[in-house]
Amino acid sequence: QQQVKQSPQSLIVQKGGIPIINCAYENTAFDYFPWYQQFPGKGPALLIAIRPDVSEKKEGRFTISFNKSAKQFSLHIMDSQPGDSATYFCAASRSGNQFYFGTGTSLTVIP
Amino acid sequence: DAGITQSPRHKVTETGTPVTLRCHQTENHRYMYWYRQDPGHGLRLIHYSYGVKDTDKGEVSDGYSVSRSKTEDFLLTLESATSSQTSVYFCAIGGNLHEQYFGPGTRLTVT
Repeated sequence: QQQVKQSPQSLIVQKGGIPIINCAYENTAFDYFPWYQQFPGKGPALLIAIRPDVSEKKEGRFTISFNKSAKQFSLHIMDSQPGDSATYFCAASRSGNQFYFGTGTSLTVIP
Repeated sequence: DAGITQSPRHKVTETGTPVTLRCHQTENHRYMYWYRQDPGHGLRLIHYSYGVKDTDKGEVSDGYSVSRSKTEDFLLTLESATSSQTSVYFCAIGGNLHEQYFGPGTRLTVT
């Protein structure tokens, strides 16, 4: 049973576009929701994270929107660049112990 | 990679042989994690540790054991490797704020 469901599986946008990746969860005990970026042959890198007491968090061109009642959260990448082409993973955790990851979204930004 | 090393980086082994992967950190983080990454599954937690000699199972722990005798080292052992354990294995470390930092990964092939 997938604890965190991520969509879409792949995404292609033009440079400057705003790709949006969505995740949904069921366990209301989750209290930490990070996003990771992974380039081929590398380990995932923490991009941005949010806790359920806020509805939005921005760091540079990356924004997380969090909807606690719908149990959904999403990543928005503003002014996307070809260098943002990577695989993105959402995750959820309870108290920093068990982490559950989505299945990933392959993003391609076309110049 | 936030002071995390994994060894070996690549390994080919035969079915039925024992295999040990090592994760070493220089960050003095409390939490350490072992994940496997497979296409279509994202990252799945195998085992994690919340202190020296304190470990717990993740969602895919069958066939794996771990040990942590020092803060800086977390070992993952496949007692008798099977072809289904062919995967890329990532170690991660985490602090008290739940942030995770991943190592470079170990590609394991079981023939």
